[in-house]
Amino acid sequence: DTEVTQTPKHLVMGMTNKKSLKCEQHMGHRAMYWYKQKAKKPPELMFVYSYEKLSINESVPSRFSPECPNSSLLNLHLHALQPEDSALYLCASSQEATLPSSYNEQFFGPGTRLTVL
Amino acid sequence: QQPVQSPQAVILREGEDAVINCSSSKALYSVHWYRQKHGEAPVFLMILLKGGEQKGHDKISASFNEKKQQSSLYLTASQLSYSGTYFCGTEAVDSGGYQKVTFGIGTKLQVIP
Repeated sequence: DTEVTQTPKHLVMGMTNKKSLKCEQHMGHRAMYWYKQKAKKPPELMFVYSYEKLSINESVPSRFSPECPNSSLLNLHLHALQPEDSALYLCASSQEATLPSSYNEQFFGPGTRLTVL
Repeated sequence: QQPVQSPQAVILREGEDAVINCSSSKALYSVHWYRQKHGEAPVFLMILLKGGEQKGHDKISASFNEKKQQSSLYLTASQLSYSGTYFCGTEAVDSGGYQKVTFGIGTKLQVIP
């Protein structure tokens, strides 16, 4: 199974709502990532988890709260978002997050398209 | 620091060739290439490690010149399925030893019949 799944596919939320995005992989990867992608822009790294520990936080506002309950799951909890947070949120995984290697390709999920009203 | 990609857009007829360039002002550990079709997730094409290697995948190949901190993606005999936005990602290791990939702005490639 070389797939990364994400739910939901689409999400519309108000600025006072609390919601969560979910990501799952069963490839035995120990690194998982959250990216944010605005239209016609490249993916921007938000968070990196390595062996279920938060390793990189790219100065993301606290209204985004990541969680890695186990090696296969990654969540992104959303609270009090702003309309400018509307974007495609991509989850990815790779074998390792330490040391560059030929095997460190990132597998991306299909993304959650988030709209904040 | 975001790598610089060029060109930003290119239109090809089927069977034509194209080159997409990626450069960085920082020393690189590796360069990643991905393709993203409209409404879909980015799909991995290849990783090139420092050491000046080249790789090929079907009719898509790439080179990495470590000294110049540049990589080029070569698409030969383009097919309609090659259409999409191509991103290069330059890899750096942060102070904690963790891999970070920063993507370039992307090159939108359209192959027409």
